[in-house]
Amino acid sequence: AQKVTQAQTEISVVEKEDVTLDCVYETRDTTYYLFWYKQPPSGELVFLIRRNSFDEQNEISGRYSWNFQKSTSSFNFTITASQVVDSAVYFCALTQSGGYNKLIFGAGTRLAVHP
Amino acid sequence: EAQVTQNPRYLITVTGKKLTVTCSQNMNHEYMSWYRQDPGLGLRQIYYSMNVEVTDKGDVPEGYKVSRKEKRNFPLILESPSPNQTSLYFCASSPSRVETQYFGPGTRLLVL
Repeated sequence: AQKVTQAQTEISVVEKEDVTLDCVYETRDTTYYLFWYKQPPSGELVFLIRRNSFDEQNEISGRYSWNFQKSTSSFNFTITASQVVDSAVYFCALTQSGGYNKLIFGAGTRLAVHP
Repeated sequence: EAQVTQNPRYLITVTGKKLTVTCSQNMNHEYMSWYRQDPGLGLRQIYYSMNVEVTDKGDVPEGYKVSRKEKRNFPLILESPSPNQTSLYFCASSPSRVETQYFGPGTRLLVL
């Protein structure tokens, strides 16, 4: 069975701190895709990144970076020099290549960045 | 602007009163899905559609119906809503089975 675990329910940091959001997944497939979405207080879901299982290169986009490690089935998300605007709920999700169009979501991590 | 739209954004109703939440996308995407978001559970798929007239159940389909008569529209129907269907609902679309799903703004439903 597929599963995504985000063990951190809530994280609170002060502005300019670095913060890492953990994501651990389970799947029996060899081909799969991992995603991160951001849900700000306004409620919409904003796509951040998509990574396929064959690409283990880390990715950096501005203050955001992602560390994908198949050996530990993890796809962690780091925000460097956090800002108040980063306050949101962040979801990690998984989909498999052989399955139908379904994203398996983790429960989400609520990040609060304080001034 | 490429987008997924949902209406209404907020809805309060009573048990048993049929309702429809509309979803429309302007990206010519083949795939569309409905999810519900509940605290501590993340999002769970209700139904999905691979193309016009092709739909199938997701993980939590009980109490819901969908239809896909046109490629751009994918309404969610609650024939007899119950309080346990109080939730935040999202529609999503994607070009293929594994590509990124883009979400609508969400519909917050309260069933009394």
